[in-house]
Amino acid sequence: QVQLVQSGAEVKKPGASVKVSCKASGYTFTSYDINWVRQATGQGLEWMGWMNPNSGNTGYAQKFQGRVTMTRNTSISTAYMELSSLRSEDTAVYYCARVHYGDWYFDLWGRGTLVTVSS
Amino acid sequence: QSALTQPASVSGSPGQSITISCTGTSSDVGGYNYVSWYQQHPGKAPKLMIYDVSNRPSGVSNRFSGSKSGNTASLTISGLQAEDEADYYCSSYTSSSGVFGGGTKLTVL
Repeated sequence: QVQLVQSGAEVKKPGASVKVSCKASGYTFTSYDINWVRQATGQGLEWMGWMNPNSGNTGYAQKFQGRVTMTRNTSISTAYMELSSLRSEDTAVYYCARVHYGDWYFDLWGRGTLVTVSS
Repeated sequence: QSALTQPASVSGSPGQSITISCTGTSSDVGGYNYVSWYQQHPGKAPKLMIYDVSNRPSGVSNRFSGSKSGNTASLTISGLQAEDEADYYCSSYTSSSGVFGGGTKLTVL
């Protein structure tokens, strides 16, 4: 079925990097943008950035510029989000979500990946 | 980019109607018809409820409706049901990026 399957939970030390994967199935991976959204425990949703799987073009929220990198491997229909220089405030659930080209709504979400940053 | 402004909480009794507001600026909510709404139950991923201001995805109850006036968008839920109790988030496009509201906790009394 149509779904986004994310990688499992991660525990990282401050200063390290984490790379979360998001595998698409049931639809043409290159026909929709992939966005990343995070949510700290008990907090709201925070948009991080987008990637066009067809071209590889990306756009990042100003807050994450220089620390986040979004990539993809079209041969396995998988998107990746790497966040570096982790700090405790980055502890959150990270979601990937599908967005239609030329529009702006997230119609398909992964289940989320919990990233815990702790010394 | 500042988050869109939503009330922290709203409540209503079963069968009643409630409205959640989402206030932004002319650079986001007021500038584009790209406002969407999401429902999130505890421990679950968000679910799309309304897109492009007032469109309902297939499978979403027609008790959910959306509108916009100027820089403020609104989500209305009519005929409240117990399962509507959840957090609700608005989102808007804004010049090659996106922004969410702070979220509203809906309590069904």
